[in-house]
Amino acid sequence: AQKVTQAQTEISVVEKEDVTLDCVYETRDTTYYLFWYKQPPSGELVFLIRRNSFDEQNEISGRYSWNFQKSTSSFNFTITASQVVDSAVYFCALSEAYRGGSTLGRLYFGRGTQLTVWP
Amino acid sequence: ETGVTQSPTHLIKTRGQQVTLRCSSQSGHNTVSWYQQALGQGPQFIFQYYREEENGRGNFPPRFSGLQFPNYSSELNVNALELDDSALYLCASSLEDRYNEQFFGPGTRLTVL
Repeated sequence: AQKVTQAQTEISVVEKEDVTLDCVYETRDTTYYLFWYKQPPSGELVFLIRRNSFDEQNEISGRYSWNFQKSTSSFNFTITASQVVDSAVYFCALSEAYRGGSTLGRLYFGRGTQLTVWP
Repeated sequence: ETGVTQSPTHLIKTRGQQVTLRCSSQSGHNTVSWYQQALGQGPQFIFQYYREEENGRGNFPPRFSGLQFPNYSSELNVNALELDDSALYLCASSLEDRYNEQFFGPGTRLTVL
């Protein structure tokens, strides 16, 4: 079974602090994809990053960075020097590789972490 | 802007009524998935349509049904509405060979009274 756990329900930080959002996943597949989405109060899900299970290289993109560790089934997301505009709910998600006849890219989401950045 | 639109933006219904939500996919996207997001929860997969056929379904009862049209736009129909159906309904479109690049619409917020 596929499962995504985001243990942090809410995080509050002051502007310019660094913040890390945790994500732990479960899957029996050896090929899968991991995602982070941002959901501002408007409700639309904004795609941030996708990683496949064969790519454990961690990456930095501007103020965002990701730490993917298969050994601990974790895919954590860090915002450096947070800003008020980063306030949103952040979702970690998992999908499995397509096999003939299966659903294309069904996403399994965690419950989300509400990040509030205070000025 | 993802190019995926949904209508209406908000909707209020009463228990027992029926509702139809609409999704217009990004141009050329032949796959559309629908998700239900209850307050304080992550989105849950309802079903997917691919080339006008249902292509997978989550743990939702048959009163949740859908359609995909030749232009790849889609509808989600919910019959016999229950209070627990109150949620944000999101659709996401993609190309079949790039199914991990899904583009979400802004959602329809349904309130059932």
